[in-house]
Amino acid sequence: GENVEQHPSTLSVQEGDSAVIKCTYSDSASNYFPWYKQELGKRPQLIIDIRSNVGEKKDQRIAVTLNKTAKHFSLHITETQPEDSAVYFCAANPGTASKLTFGTGTRLQVTL
Amino acid sequence: GAVVSQHPSWVICKSGTSVKIECRSLDFQATTMFWYRQFPKQSLMLMATSNEGSKATYEQGVEKDKFLINHASLTLSTLTVTSAHPEDSSFYICSARESSGGKNIQYFGAGTRLSVL
Repeated sequence: GENVEQHPSTLSVQEGDSAVIKCTYSDSASNYFPWYKQELGKRPQLIIDIRSNVGEKKDQRIAVTLNKTAKHFSLHITETQPEDSAVYFCAANPGTASKLTFGTGTRLQVTL
Repeated sequence: GAVVSQHPSWVICKSGTSVKIECRSLDFQATTMFWYRQFPKQSLMLMATSNEGSKATYEQGVEKDKFLINHASLTLSTLTVTSAHPEDSSFYICSARESSGGKNIQYFGAGTRLSVL
């Protein structure tokens, strides 16, 4: 089955700096890669996603890049703000199934 | 985005009792829903895939007789933890898959914190 690895497990940045979280996947058939943000005690919320026919996608301060050859994808947050502090999960969806395999999560702390 | 409602948000029960958790998609139909378990400061571990009108598909290591799943309508899936024991205490969270218009997005419920005494 699919295996998704995520790094780093924790990340601390100063407000205004950029943050990058990286994930790798194992199943070359995976074709959909969402990113979820989970604030403490709350539900995971989809913040951005990318499909395998696209190499990059941007939404304001958030961008995701995908390298199918290397089987890795990354989340980029620019101009970080304290409200960006949360746990971020990457996930991959194998083309043959609807389920998602999640990474282990990255705890992002944006300090003033 | 779409809304998924999960109830109850918190439940405390005695060991040996059964607990039912409901997951509803409020503004879309979901032929597929998912049940996850999340331990503190850990990732989402998929327990099972709930399919409307058919049996659930359980992940390896998940006891299907322990965690009963019913998906009787396009907007409701239930997870029943049978004969709960303290080791079943956890955060259970559901998601519903919106697949209309070529989408393949999972929207999550707010989760249920189960404490078994």
